[in-house]
Amino acid sequence: DVKVTQSSRYLVKRTGEKVFLECVQDMDHENMFWYRQDPGLGLRLIYFSYDVKMKEKGDIPEGYSVSREKKERFSLILESASTNQTSMYLCASSLRKNIQYFGAGTRLSVL
Amino acid sequence: GIQVEQSPPDLILQEGANSTLRCNFSDSVNNLQWFHQNPWGQLINLFYIPSGTKQNGRLSATTVATERYSLLYISSSQTTDSGVYFCASERGSTLGRLYFGRGTQLTVWP
Repeated sequence: DVKVTQSSRYLVKRTGEKVFLECVQDMDHENMFWYRQDPGLGLRLIYFSYDVKMKEKGDIPEGYSVSREKKERFSLILESASTNQTSMYLCASSLRKNIQYFGAGTRLSVL
Repeated sequence: GIQVEQSPPDLILQEGANSTLRCNFSDSVNNLQWFHQNPWGQLINLFYIPSGTKQNGRLSATTVATERYSLLYISSSQTTDSGVYFCASERGSTLGRLYFGRGTQLTVWP
């Protein structure tokens, strides 16, 4: 079975902190994705990566950056966390043009 | 991107009832997928269905790509079917990036 593992289920940070969210997949997938989910807004894509060191902006990249140094790991970085980044963050991976598999999600609270 | 409209936004059923969820797309359908998000937040892929019909137990899905819509059928619903159902599609050749609808919140009562 495909496994997508997110490093934390719940995270509480303070405004201005630098925050790292980690995601690891074990199926050699080319694509990895970071989404943000807020009530009533569905899933919004922050960034995705289609290969090592390659990235594309999604719909809401402002305030975020990403890193993909190894194929299995995709990190989301909040350079200076703000309260409006309190949300559920979901990581996914897939082969090119194929089923997306999701991690369990990280609920981030920024105080 | 693609505009993805899901209907209905909310659905409340009694156990044993059948239901149909719909997705309409503003552009040609590509790499279409249906997902279920359980009350704990985990998203599970239900179907990869760019065209045609597929069945998996009590669930089935149909995509009519030429008319830019897809349907998800749930028969004999159970309380464990509760959660949010999302559809998503790729636009053209965008390396696998999906555009999601806002979801249908399904509540099944015993």
